Amino acid sequence: AQSVTQPDIHITVSEGASLELRCNYSYGATPYLFWYVQSPGQGLQLLLKYFSGDTLVQGIKGFEAEFKRSQSSFNLRKPSVHWSDAAEYFCAVGETNNDMRFGAGTRLTVKP
Amino acid sequence: GAGVSQSPSNKVTEKGKDVELRCDPISGHTALYWYRQSLGQGLEFLIYFQGNSAPDKSGLPSDRFSAERTGGSVSTLTIQRTQQEDSAVYLCASSQIGGSGNTIYFGEGSWLTVV
Repeated sequence: AQSVTQPDIHITVSEGASLELRCNYSYGATPYLFWYVQSPGQGLQLLLKYFSGDTLVQGIKGFEAEFKRSQSSFNLRKPSVHWSDAAEYFCAVGETNNDMRFGAGTRLTVKP
Repeated sequence: GAGVSQSPSNKVTEKGKDVELRCDPISGHTALYWYRQSLGQGLEFLIYFQGNSAPDKSGLPSDRFSAERTGGSVSTLTIQRTQQEDSAVYLCASSQIGGSGNTIYFGEGSWLTVV
């Protein structure tokens, strides 16, 4: 059965430090991969998505993610975190939109 | 509208009562989705509408849950005889064309608390 795992429930980083949020998936076919961010009181916003091609994907707000088929991973990275990046981050995988599976989320806290 | 609009934003209801949650998708979007987000959990798919096709109801957790989409636009999610475990954020989303890989845009959600 397809599934998404975000191993880290909560991560705290200092402002200006680098960030990596982990996402592992189990999926039978080649999946579509997404990262969404949910800021307090706001809906989910798409950060980036991977369908095919270059396995390093650039997104909005300076985020990037790398698809590694051999590791079944799609980790989200940012070289320098800003205080405004504090939010909940969700990884999602799927083949079709109505077959999307979301991870439980990783809550990011940014220390000044 | 500019984004997906949901109402009410917050709803407190008594156990056993029925509730209706409304979603107004982005204009022109043919696909509409309902998800549920429980505390500390990821998003759980509930139902998917695409154009005039029969909806995919495979994610509805019980027959107390139903949804309809009128005129290919506004959707209503109805929960009958609410239970405390129904307490969650109900998220609506829409996309321009259903199927593989199209970007889904989410509303801000309807927070449901069953007391």
